[in-house]
Amino acid sequence: AQSVSQHNHHVILSEAASLELGCNYSYGGTVNLFWYVQYPGQHLQLLLKYFSGDPLVKGIKGFEAEFIKSKFSFNLRKPSVQWSDTAEYFCAVNVWEYGNKLVFGAGTILRVKS
Amino acid sequence: KAGVTQTPRYLIKTRGQQVTLSCSPISGHRSVSWYQQTPGQGLQFLFEYFSETQRNKGNFPGRFSGRQFSNSRSEMNVSTLELGDSALYLCASSHPTGEETQYFGPGTRLLVL
Repeated sequence: AQSVSQHNHHVILSEAASLELGCNYSYGGTVNLFWYVQYPGQHLQLLLKYFSGDPLVKGIKGFEAEFIKSKFSFNLRKPSVQWSDTAEYFCAVNVWEYGNKLVFGAGTILRVKS
Repeated sequence: KAGVTQTPRYLIKTRGQQVTLSCSPISGHRSVSWYQQTPGQGLQFLFEYFSETQRNKGNFPGRFSGRQFSNSRSEMNVSTLELGDSALYLCASSHPTGEETQYFGPGTRLLVL
């Protein structure tokens, strides 16, 4: 069965620091990749997605992610975090041949200190 | 466009009871998926409905069931509730374009006592 691993469960950064959250998945075929964010008290929101084409995708709020097929990775990055980025971040994979079903990583809780 | 809506937002039940949760997808979206979110297990896929048919199912017992109506609205039902069913139940909808992005509702928080 496919699985998704997020490397860090908790990350604490100071404002203006750079962010990289790791995500690896275990499936060798065609995948669609997503990062979702859950701000405190809010629902899951889509940050960015990759279906095909340019492996470097840009999302909302200055986030970007790079798909590296050979490493089965889809890491999330932001050059300079803000206090408002404090949230939980989820990486998710959809293996299309298995239907419209997202497999989520365990999530990374990011706390940004002001 | 209005987002995905879920009702009720909060629910308290006792063991052995059953519960029905409702989800209204984004207008035009015909696929509805359900997920369970708990601190221990994270986000887990329950099932997906498309055009009133269950198209995909996760690894949950038969106590968990769902259905979809002709207007794409969906309900999920949990019978004979157990303490471990306490969770946030999330509904997501997507448009069947072949590159489907799921958009999530706020969830229904179920507490089983």
